[in-house]
Amino acid sequence: ELQLVESGGGLVKPGGSLRLSCAVSGFTFSSCTMNWVRQAPGKGLEWVSSISSSGSFIYFEDSMKGRFTISRDNAKNSLYLQMNSLRAEDTAVYYCASVCSGSYYNWCFWGQGTLVTVSS
Amino acid sequence: QTVVTQEPSLTVSPGGTVTLTCASSTGAVTSGYYPNWFQQKPGQAPRALIYSTSNKHSWTPARFSGSLLGGKAALTLSGVQPEDEAEYYCLLYYGGTQGVFGGGTKLTVL
Repeated sequence: ELQLVESGGGLVKPGGSLRLSCAVSGFTFSSCTMNWVRQAPGKGLEWVSSISSSGSFIYFEDSMKGRFTISRDNAKNSLYLQMNSLRAEDTAVYYCASVCSGSYYNWCFWGQGTLVTVSS
Repeated sequence: QTVVTQEPSLTVSPGGTVTLTCASSTGAVTSGYYPNWFQQKPGQAPRALIYSTSNKHSWTPARFSGSLLGGKAALTLSGVQPEDEAEYYCLLYYGGTQGVFGGGTKLTVL
């Protein structure tokens, strides 16, 4: 069964850090570009970052560069998002999403999301 | 700051046809922006519908189609069903690397 399961969300104080994980099963993770997308409460989707299948190419939305780091472990079929210097405006549901195998641009599957709340 | 613009809301009658559009602040949308379309229902994760302008996934109902229309990416629903009521988002790529989502279109089936 195809699954993307995010974890690691929770309540964190401003300036704090969190590491999100996305465990993947049911498709060839090592062949797929992966993305993080977030959605603030009641708002639209916001692309955060992407990482190529090998991890060689990494891209970020400009406002998150320098604070967030994306990585992957193909041996563990897992994707990660390290978030530092968190701000109230980072409060959102964070989704991992895969691109279809063999493509960078053709999005396929989404996880159910994990909620990050930044508040004192 | 690149902005991708969608209609905030649209209403369609059951069985009708509706077209949602996706415009770029940088100019005409072409296939080189690799438009993707997603559907999101309340309380659920988004679901991919269309990729690379007009390609459907195996799970995409036949009534959904993607195209380029008047310099915009477009998603057309023909023979709308009540279950199509949802928020729809487009995604465009800039410089081949940066993804930008549109603000979403809330589709009401009434």
